[in-house]
Amino acid sequence: GESVGLHLPTLSVQEGDNSIINCAYSNSASDYFIWYKQESGKGPQFIIDIRSNMDKRQGQRVTVLLNKTVKHLSLQIAATQPGDSAVYFCAESPPGYALNFGKGTSLLVTP
Amino acid sequence: SQTIHQWPATLVQPVGSPLSLECTVEGTSNPNLYWYRQAAGRGLQLLFYSVGIGQISSEVPQNLSASRPQDRQFILSSKKLLLSDSGFYLCAWSGGDNQPQHFGDGTRLSIL
Repeated sequence: GESVGLHLPTLSVQEGDNSIINCAYSNSASDYFIWYKQESGKGPQFIIDIRSNMDKRQGQRVTVLLNKTVKHLSLQIAATQPGDSAVYFCAESPPGYALNFGKGTSLLVTP
Repeated sequence: SQTIHQWPATLVQPVGSPLSLECTVEGTSNPNLYWYRQAAGRGLQLLFYSVGIGQISSEVPQNLSASRPQDRQFILSSKKLLLSDSGFYLCAWSGGDNQPQHFGDGTRLSIL
């Protein structure tokens, strides 16, 4: 049967602070990386992506950093707001393959 | 702009009954289409993907099947549901490899 009691890693931040969500990926051949935000009861929403020829990419209030040497990806959210509370997933894909999703991190923004 | 629709939003089915979940995409042509399942508190498990009409790749052997009868229509089916088929089913589309996948709002399936 399915395991029960699984808990996502949780990051708790105060409103207005910056958030950093980390992700370790496993496949050194991956050349495409992406972050999603998922609110309760909804499908994942695309936030930002990055290709392996870059190490940093910025969007509106978000920055993704890629360190290929240690196979690490991070998402930085500036001036975190209550609406940023959600589960965040990273995903990777090697060339020609579908996305492989991580297990997610729950972000909780407190007033 | 492109949109993706999934229905129904919630579904309660008895064990052994058939299943048909539908997903349609608007505003794009020849998309890659995907079906995922998400168990509570877990990541997304890829079930099927399709790069064109009638072309289906299965990632996980199980009692589910998928079909793509039209360019922008993707259907997830089962002849006989199991208790373990309960979960949150998500459809997604993308413009191709190494492009973002865009998700529908999912179907919450409960098997009794």
